[in-house]
Amino acid sequence: NAGVTQTPKFQVLKTGQSMTLQCAQDMNHNSMYWYRQDPGMGLRLIYYSASEGTTDKGEVPNGYNVSRLNKREFSLRLESAAPSQTSVYFCASSETPGGVYEQYFGPGTRLTVT
Amino acid sequence: QKEVEQDPGPLSVPEGAIVSLNCTYSNSAFQYFMWYRQYSRKGPELLMYTYSSGNKEDGRFTAQVDKSSKYISLFIRDSQPSDSATYLCAMSVITGGGNKLTFGTGTQLKVEL
Repeated sequence: NAGVTQTPKFQVLKTGQSMTLQCAQDMNHNSMYWYRQDPGMGLRLIYYSASEGTTDKGEVPNGYNVSRLNKREFSLRLESAAPSQTSVYFCASSETPGGVYEQYFGPGTRLTVT
Repeated sequence: QKEVEQDPGPLSVPEGAIVSLNCTYSNSAFQYFMWYRQYSRKGPELLMYTYSSGNKEDGRFTAQVDKSSKYISLFIRDSQPSDSATYLCAMSVITGGGNKLTFGTGTQLKVEL
């Protein structure tokens, strides 16, 4: 099992450009999450999908959109990138909504917006 | 004020030392408490979780929760260079909408030979 995979690993964008970060999991998990990690701020939840067909905002959703394409895939889109979106982005998945279930994280995407 | 506070370190200890990592929190609704370990340029991975006050032990690691003081700790005994990583505490309020975690900022630990 590959677990949680993310593409791309690195990306440099100019201000105003758009891009989509891809995430896929092969553990048959129902719930998927997008986080950003910034120095001194820790991991902050951007959006999550408790189950296929649902998405909800997290702590810092502004400037992002998500799509739960199917049970395996959850993408994050930046429509008009800003320097404030320079960060490391992590996708995670967990078995089910509710309860305490381990969130499995992908390797991250390092995004720089100039 | 952040819901979860964690000393960012860095913390440098000699091999074999006992390490104490701590977090405080303000939201009394948090029910589950976790510690994640993150190696450089990798995603976090779950180390331990607990949901009750008291201690939980797993090998060289002990997680401690004091709900009355809103304080959690992770102790590492006989620390090894391979323990060098960033340790993130995380907490959750369980709702029907998913297991949403609130993370601390992480403490960077270096165990030196």
